[in-house]
Amino acid sequence: QQQVKQSPQSLIVQKGGISIINCAYENTAFDYFPWYQQFPGKGPALLIAIRPDVSEKKEGRFTISFNKSAKQFSLHIMDSQPGDSATYFCAASLQGGSEKLVFGKGTKLTVNP
Amino acid sequence: KAGVTQTPRYLIKTRGQQVTLSCSPISGHRSVSWYQQTPGQGLQFLFEYFSETQRNKGNFPGRFSGRQFSNSRSEMNVSTLELGDSALYLCASSPTGDTQYFGPGTRLTVL
Repeated sequence: QQQVKQSPQSLIVQKGGISIINCAYENTAFDYFPWYQQFPGKGPALLIAIRPDVSEKKEGRFTISFNKSAKQFSLHIMDSQPGDSATYFCAASLQGGSEKLVFGKGTKLTVNP
Repeated sequence: KAGVTQTPRYLIKTRGQQVTLSCSPISGHRSVSWYQQTPGQGLQFLFEYFSETQRNKGNFPGRFSGRQFSNSRSEMNVSTLELGDSALYLCASSPTGDTQYFGPGTRLTVL
């Protein structure tokens, strides 16, 4: 049973455009929602994270929007750059400080120059 | 601060063999988690160790095991390797909270 569903699988955006990746979760006990960026041959790198008590968090060009009632959250990359081309994973973890992250399947983002 | 380090980076084994992978967490981090990444299944949680105790376990067969040492370094072992065990094995460390920092992974190929 996949507990975090991510879409789209792949995304092509022009330089300067907005990239939007969506995730939906099933378990209402999840209380921590990070996004990771992974380049080929590298491990995932934490990009930005949010908790359910806020609806939006922004760090530079990256913004997480969170909709608790819909059990959905999304990553927006503003002014997308070719260097942003990577695979992005959303994830969620349970209350209580559990270190177990449940990941979405990933979105391969390509930003064309 | 140095990041999470994993050794070896690449490994080729044959079916039936066993393998041990090593992970050194970020200094001061006491929690170490292991994940398996494959194209088909994505990133899947294997287990998590905190202060030398397994605190969490994913849905993997008993052939997958791990341990953590007093200096927080961790090892994972896979016995009786199968072709389907070919994957990128990722280690992540965390202070005590939710934020996890991943290493570069060990690419295991089983022939």
